[in-house]
Amino acid sequence: DTEVTQTPKHLVMGMTNKKSLKCEQHMGHRAMYWYKQKAKKPPELMFVYSYEKLSINESVPSRFSPECPNSSLLNLHLHALQPEDSALYLCASSPGTGGHYEQYFGPGTRLTVT
Amino acid sequence: LAKTTQPISMDSYEGQEVNITCSHNNIATNDYITWYQQFPSQGPRFIIQGYKTKVTNEVASLFIPADRKSSTLSLPRVSLSDTAVYYCLVGVKGSGNTGKLIFGQGTTLQVKP
Repeated sequence: DTEVTQTPKHLVMGMTNKKSLKCEQHMGHRAMYWYKQKAKKPPELMFVYSYEKLSINESVPSRFSPECPNSSLLNLHLHALQPEDSALYLCASSPGTGGHYEQYFGPGTRLTVT
Repeated sequence: LAKTTQPISMDSYEGQEVNITCSHNNIATNDYITWYQQFPSQGPRFIIQGYKTKVTNEVASLFIPADRKSSTLSLPRVSLSDTAVYYCLVGVKGSGNTGKLIFGQGTTLQVKP
């Protein structure tokens, strides 16, 4: 199984809502990533988990809160978002961290903040 | 500011070879160059990866000169289904020999019949 799954596919939320994005992989990968992608732009790295520990936080606002409950799951908790946070949120995994590992991406969650 | 640059767009016809170049002047010493393909409303998909010289797999080739400050993705005999956005991903220098992974701005390839 070389698939990364993400739920939900689409999410619309108000600025006062709390919601969560979920990501799952069963490839035994030890690194997992969250990216944000705006239209016609490249993915921007938000967080990296290595062996279930947060290893990189790219100065992401605290209204985004990542969580890695186990080696197969990655969550992104959302609270008090702004309309400019509307984007495609991509999850990825790789066997380890570092640029020599291929990242496997999920299909993304399309988030709209109203 | 370290940048990874690619052409914004390219056009080609079915059956032609397409070469897309990425410039990465500040590539980190130990980092690889990876290329991804992305279709609308999908996550990027791995195409090929290399460290230096030439790498070839069943879908593409990757050419990397000795100074590693650029790389060229070569797609032989493209078809309509190769219409997509192509990104290079490179580790750019920070402290140490591995860098911060940064995607290029992406090249939109339009293949025409």
